[in-house]
Amino acid sequence: NAGVTQTPKFRVLKTGQSMTLLCAQDMNHEYMYWYRQDPGMGLRLIHYSVGEGTTAKGEVPDGYNVSRLKKQNFLLGLESAAPSQTSVYFCASSLGTGYNEQFFGPGTRLTVL
Amino acid sequence: SQQGEEDPQALSIQEGENATMNCSYKTSINNLQWYRQNSGRGLVHLILIRSNEREKHSGRLRVTLDTSKKSSSLLITASRAADTASYFCATVLLNGNTGGFKTIFGAGTRLFVKA
Repeated sequence: NAGVTQTPKFRVLKTGQSMTLLCAQDMNHEYMYWYRQDPGMGLRLIHYSVGEGTTAKGEVPDGYNVSRLKKQNFLLGLESAAPSQTSVYFCASSLGTGYNEQFFGPGTRLTVL
Repeated sequence: SQQGEEDPQALSIQEGENATMNCSYKTSINNLQWYRQNSGRGLVHLILIRSNEREKHSGRLRVTLDTSKKSSSLLITASRAADTASYFCATVLLNGNTGGFKTIFGAGTRLFVKA
């Protein structure tokens, strides 16, 4: 099992450019999440999904969109990147919520110039 | 304090010593989880303690939970250089909007174990 994978690992964008981050999991998990991690601020939830075809806003959703067309994939899009979106992005998945642990991908380091 | 706030922010100890990290939170929780993050990697789940439990062990890890003080501690005994990482507490609480649960991560404690 590959677990949770993310592509790309690194990316540099110019302000105003767009990009999509791809997350894939092979554990048949219902729940998937996108977080951003900034120094001294821990992980902040951007968007999440409770199943195929569903998405919901997290704590910091502005400037991002997501799609979950297939159960195993969760895409995070930046339509018009801003320097404030420079961060490390992590995808995670879980079987459920409550007593279930989250499994994390290796992260994508994004720099917006 | 924030929901899931770790203390200290950074900790440096010698190999063989014990490392203690604390987590405080504001609102009632369903359970509390600890995760570890090695530099440049994703988080890895270590241990979960339910709100009705007071102590839990897993190998060299010992977690305590005091719901009256809204705090938890993670103790790593006989630390090794390989324990060098950041450690995060995650509080799991009821999501009033959805009826499900939400997980909130703290900012983490950076642990450095010197060989």
